[in-house]
Amino acid sequence: ETGVTQSPTHLIKTRGQQVTLRCSSQSGHNTVSWYQQALGQGPQFIFQYYREEENGRGNFPPRFSGLQFPNYSSELNVNALELDDSALYLCASTNLADHGYTFGSGTRLTVV
Amino acid sequence: QKEVEQDPGPLSVPEGAIVSLNCTYSNSAFQYFMWYRQYSRKGPELLMYTYSSGNKEDGRFTAQVDKSSKYISLFIRDSQPSDSATYLCAMRDDYKLSFGAGTTVTVRA
Repeated sequence: ETGVTQSPTHLIKTRGQQVTLRCSSQSGHNTVSWYQQALGQGPQFIFQYYREEENGRGNFPPRFSGLQFPNYSSELNVNALELDDSALYLCASTNLADHGYTFGSGTRLTVV
Repeated sequence: QKEVEQDPGPLSVPEGAIVSLNCTYSNSAFQYFMWYRQYSRKGPELLMYTYSSGNKEDGRFTAQVDKSSKYISLFIRDSQPSDSATYLCAMRDDYKLSFGAGTTVTVRA
């Protein structure tokens, strides 16, 4: 059974650019969530996808968008990058009946 | 006011000590309560979860939930240097997890 895998592990982008982060969910999990974790803080919920539809969103602007694919993998897209977008981006998957979420190791994004 | 408040730490304890970690919350919609462990530069790893008031044990770990007081705790007995990490409490409502800011624990050999 594979866990949650994320790519890339590190990324450096320039302010104003766009970025796409990728996530493969754990086998058997049909729901994917994305979280942003700033240094020294707990993860903050961005949004969640279930059956390729967004079914929950946190307090993030529309320039944060996502997709879920038929194989339950997912992408997070961020447009018009700002310096404050520098953070660890975490993907988590679950089968909602289990209640527990499995996290990937994250993508560390640095915006300069 | 944040939905989830976690004792900030950091904590430094000698090997073999009991580690006590605490969180309070304000949202009555939270149904499930979890503790995650996060090592540096890694994603959070689920340690324990529960949905009812009371205690739940798993080896050296005990999770405690008091819904009437909106308070949860994690106790680590016989702490080991390998327990050195950041511990995050998390609570789930219908569709998302809300996390505390984390407590960094160092267990000294």
